[in-house]
Amino acid sequence: RKEVEQDPGPFNVPEGATVAFNCTYSNSASQSFFWYRQDCRKEPKLLMSVYSSGNEDGRFTAQLNRASQYISLLIRDSKLSDSATYLCVVRGNTGKLIFGQGTTLQVKP
Amino acid sequence: GAVVSQHPSWVICKSGTSVKIECRSLDFQATTMFWYRQFPKQSLMLMATSNEGSKATYEQGVEKDKFLINHASLTLSTLTVTSAHPEDSSFYICSAAGGTGFSDTQYFGPGTRLTVL
Repeated sequence: RKEVEQDPGPFNVPEGATVAFNCTYSNSASQSFFWYRQDCRKEPKLLMSVYSSGNEDGRFTAQLNRASQYISLLIRDSKLSDSATYLCVVRGNTGKLIFGQGTTLQVKP
Repeated sequence: GAVVSQHPSWVICKSGTSVKIECRSLDFQATTMFWYRQFPKQSLMLMATSNEGSKATYEQGVEKDKFLINHASLTLSTLTVTSAHPEDSSFYICSAAGGTGFSDTQYFGPGTRLTVL
């Protein structure tokens, strides 16, 4: 079983749609959680950290459920520029970053 | 914000040759640098962690004699893929952190795409 699992998609949505991505992690001792965005042939860039209380940054909302070892990302009012691969990333108990495979989002006009 | 550069951005080489990739932190001192590899449609996998002035720590399954890492200064780490073969073709990404531990924020370089013919 992979340490961090994501549905690879692709998710094809129209502009303005709301889309949700999910992620599960296997190590209950994981310390911190992130969503990164990776554009084609580029490096990953930090989108936001994820906290148990839930956190929001503009159109993006992230949620963490430690009991279920589940992380989510909600994107509201999708823009064309949101098209990318979204990586769920967990900092394990060793401190290392563990990346999910990524979920590909394609926003269409 | 912190900037990390990589050179070259892409390289094509013949099987059996060695390729050196540089990772530089441009505006901060990187005590720790990380090297990742990403195959198409797969996740980033940590290859090794290097601390300035000491030997790199390699992840399980990564051959240290094939992937030579040097972190000679606080702003530069190099990864040399020795005797490269087609299966080494991948996207190599470095990241740099200002602290000595994994808990510090990592800043990623733009990556180097290696194609071995």
